[in-house]
Amino acid sequence: AQSVTQLDSQVPVFEEAPVELRCNYSSSVSVYLFWYVQYPNQGLQLLLKYLSGSTLVESINGFEAEFNKSQTSFHLRKPSVHISDTAEYFCAVTRRSNDYKLSFGAGTTVTVRA
Amino acid sequence: ETGVTQSPTHLIKTRGQQVTLRCSSQSGHNTVSWYQQALGQGPQFIFQYYREEENGRGNFPPRFSGLQFPNYSSELNVNALELDDSALYLCASRPGQGTNTGELFFGEGSRLTVL
Repeated sequence: AQSVTQLDSQVPVFEEAPVELRCNYSSSVSVYLFWYVQYPNQGLQLLLKYLSGSTLVESINGFEAEFNKSQTSFHLRKPSVHISDTAEYFCAVTRRSNDYKLSFGAGTTVTVRA
Repeated sequence: ETGVTQSPTHLIKTRGQQVTLRCSSQSGHNTVSWYQQALGQGPQFIFQYYREEENGRGNFPPRFSGLQFPNYSSELNVNALELDDSALYLCASRPGQGTNTGELFFGEGSRLTVL
């Protein structure tokens, strides 16, 4: 079975400062990794994903995450946050097969202050 | 392209009642899964339907059941509601089994409160 640990439950950050959200996973098989974002009173939206190839993946709104197989991590970073980045962020993992059951972490709440 | 839609968006029930939640999958998607997100937690996988059959189930009791219809829409039924069933129920769809992206497309959820 796969599991995800998000090491920070809440991350307050000032606007234009950098942010890093930490995610570690556990799995005995090869996996796909995801970061989803949930804005208040909304469903989950995919932020970025790692399937294969380059270990550094980027989103269109400035987030990036790096897959580190040796450390079983998939940390999410943004060099300069905006107020609109205030949301809850979930790291998720699924094994590389056709069932695509996602196992989510407990989430990290990012609050960006002016 | 129409995304995943869920209904109702909010509902309140009392202990022991039954509830049905509905989901229309994104156009072209034939696989639907349901997740329960309790307050302050990450979503937990309930089950998945592919071509009208359940083909994966998480650690939920049998009083959680579902259906998928020929148009790929889906229902989640919960019988004998308990207080701990209060949560946001998320439906997600994806293209068929042969598509290898691993990405799920989520609806905005149905928020169930059990009193």
